[in-house]
Amino acid sequence: GGIITQTPKFLIGQEGQKLTLKCQQNFNHDTMYWYRQDSGKGLRLIYYSITENDLQKGDLSEGYDASREKKSSFSLTVTSAQKNEMAVFLCASSNRDRGPNERLFFGHGTKLSVL
Amino acid sequence: QQNVQQSPESLIVPEGARTSLNCTFSDSASQYFWWYRQHSGKAPKALMSIFSNGEKEEGRFTIHLNKASLHFSLHIRDSQPSDSALYLCAGMPNYNVLYFGSGTKLTVEP
Repeated sequence: GGIITQTPKFLIGQEGQKLTLKCQQNFNHDTMYWYRQDSGKGLRLIYYSITENDLQKGDLSEGYDASREKKSSFSLTVTSAQKNEMAVFLCASSNRDRGPNERLFFGHGTKLSVL
Repeated sequence: QQNVQQSPESLIVPEGARTSLNCTFSDSASQYFWWYRQHSGKAPKALMSIFSNGEKEEGRFTIHLNKASLHFSLHIRDSQPSDSALYLCAGMPNYNVLYFGSGTKLTVEP
């Protein structure tokens, strides 16, 4: 088995601040994802990456940057935090090399609050 | 963009009940369909998937897919309090991306 580690678990920022969230996986999966989850709601895709140094925009990419410098890590930057923003950012990975229907494995999330 | 609608938004059932959760997709682009479950404060975890019309059963859980009506459902037999969670359906219209619905919050009361 493997694990996805997201840091930090909690992130409190100020309006306008640039904030970076990190994700590490030891599954050796090729594809990694960042999803945003608003309280009790579904997941919306921000960015994904199918291999090292690859970046693909999701439907919610505006206001975010991402970086995949290593196969095992995928970071997400909130370029300018919005006042009263509150959400959980979930990182996930999957092994697409094994086929199109491989499940996603998720981390426990980074909970963002903006003051 | 795949639009995924789930119903109901929330559901409370007694222990032992049969529970049905529903999902409707906006178009027929998706090839693979998944149900994920997220217990409160935890990471979402994959439950079951299907890619062809019909039913699939695993233990107390059955999923049903009808591509013609764009309808996908999850049925839980003999619901247990431990089944209380947020249930998320998802479809995959392209090779790499899963689009999730907004979720159904299920509460099973002892």
